Amino acid sequence: DGGITQSPKYLFRKEGQNVTLSCEQNLNHDAMYWYRQDPGQGLRLIYYSQIVNDFQKGDIAEGYSVSREKKESFPLTVTSAQKNPTAFYLCASRASERYNEQFFGPGTRLTVL
Amino acid sequence: RKEVEQDPGPFNVPEGATVAFNCTYSNSASQSFFWYRQDCRKEPKLLMSVYSSGNEDGRFTAQLNRASQYISLLIRDSKLSDSATYLCVVTPSNDYKLSFGAGTTVTVRA
Repeated sequence: DGGITQSPKYLFRKEGQNVTLSCEQNLNHDAMYWYRQDPGQGLRLIYYSQIVNDFQKGDIAEGYSVSREKKESFPLTVTSAQKNPTAFYLCASRASERYNEQFFGPGTRLTVL
Repeated sequence: RKEVEQDPGPFNVPEGATVAFNCTYSNSASQSFFWYRQDCRKEPKLLMSVYSSGNEDGRFTAQLNRASQYISLLIRDSKLSDSATYLCVVTPSNDYKLSFGAGTTVTVRA
């Protein structure tokens, strides 16, 4: 089945630790995105990538890093510099044509203990 | 001003009722528009795209008003399963970034 997978579904982290969230897609989409969603709030863009080996900061990139070494993969690292990392993280992808919709993965719920 | 604004609701309606809500956007050059549905603690899923001429998908009708810069979603004959948060999504021109509204919560009661 084609789609986007994220792992793990739930993640617990101690303060001061870096953690990497996985996102993989087999839709052959060029663009991939990372969003953060806090309870009762909308989605906020962290980073996005239009093509392999290229990515741009979104609205709330501080404390996060990404890489795009393969078209299928766009991992997100939440670093210890992120002051309030507890949130629901959503990965999405989109075909290259500008009018196409985004498809989302099932999300990773990160809790900092 | 936010790029995309929605009435957060909640809209509490009985089964069988019609409910409608709008979403306004600030960028007049926006090119494409979508409604997504998000269930509690789940990822957003595409409900429908919104076309200039308006479009319908079963009980759902979406419309675009470019002059007033808003899109609307109307749900007829509401079902309990329609209870969710509905996200408005707008794509500015010449940009891969999408702008999301914070969502409108709809609760359908028996």
